[in-house]
Amino acid sequence: QSALTQPASVSGSPGQSITISCTGTSSDVSGYNYVSWYQQHPGKAPKLMIYDVSKRPSGVSNRFSGSKSGNTASLTISGLQAEDEADYYCCSYAGSSTWVFGGGTKLTVL
Amino acid sequence: QLQLQESGPGLVKPSETLSLTCTVSGGSISSSSNHWGWIRQPPGKGLEWIGTIYYSGSTYYNPSLKSRVTISVDTSKNQFSLKLSSVTAADTAVYYCARHMTTVATDWFDPWGQGTLVTVSS
Repeated sequence: QSALTQPASVSGSPGQSITISCTGTSSDVSGYNYVSWYQQHPGKAPKLMIYDVSKRPSGVSNRFSGSKSGNTASLTISGLQAEDEADYYCCSYAGSSTWVFGGGTKLTVL
Repeated sequence: QLQLQESGPGLVKPSETLSLTCTVSGGSISSSSNHWGWIRQPPGKGLEWIGTIYYSGSTYYNPSLKSRVTISVDTSKNQFSLKLSSVTAADTAVYYCARHMTTVATDWFDPWGQGTLVTVSS
């Protein structure tokens, strides 16, 4: 069970859109529609942003959206704001009642 | 509103057993809609799923940690616990507990506890 692959860092200017990728295998990302995304500010606990690939929990801004194509899931943040600067992690069900996280992506708002 | 809080020693000696407890408030730990998970994060690194316990008591562990991990529930105290044996410095991490909503229709971790740093050192 290997960690899902995410870019170490992405950046964007306020108002722009960015996409963070999360690449897995047929045993996890492409095998199930159970990909979730978490936002983590420094020193804080992760916060659920997207679940089941593209669903948004109540209270999460509609600037956040998720999608999946083949082995790669993606988190898109539109209309970037300074408060979006954080680390983002994807997570996928990996079969046999196991779960795997991505290595995390640091988002910098320029 | 469901809230989770981790507690336990912040320092554990190498080869000993790490023991943490997660206290759940605002809801019943034995509800059939709730499962419970442990996730850890080494300093400066990413998240790692440790294991999940279902309301039924069934447990599922990360294969890389399975031989050393035990997760259990104490319904009388509305708590669930993590034990990790034979720890080394590599087990130094912030340990989080979280509700793990996992069914045939959905899957996510929320809410999370604030996390507790456990350092393995002599």
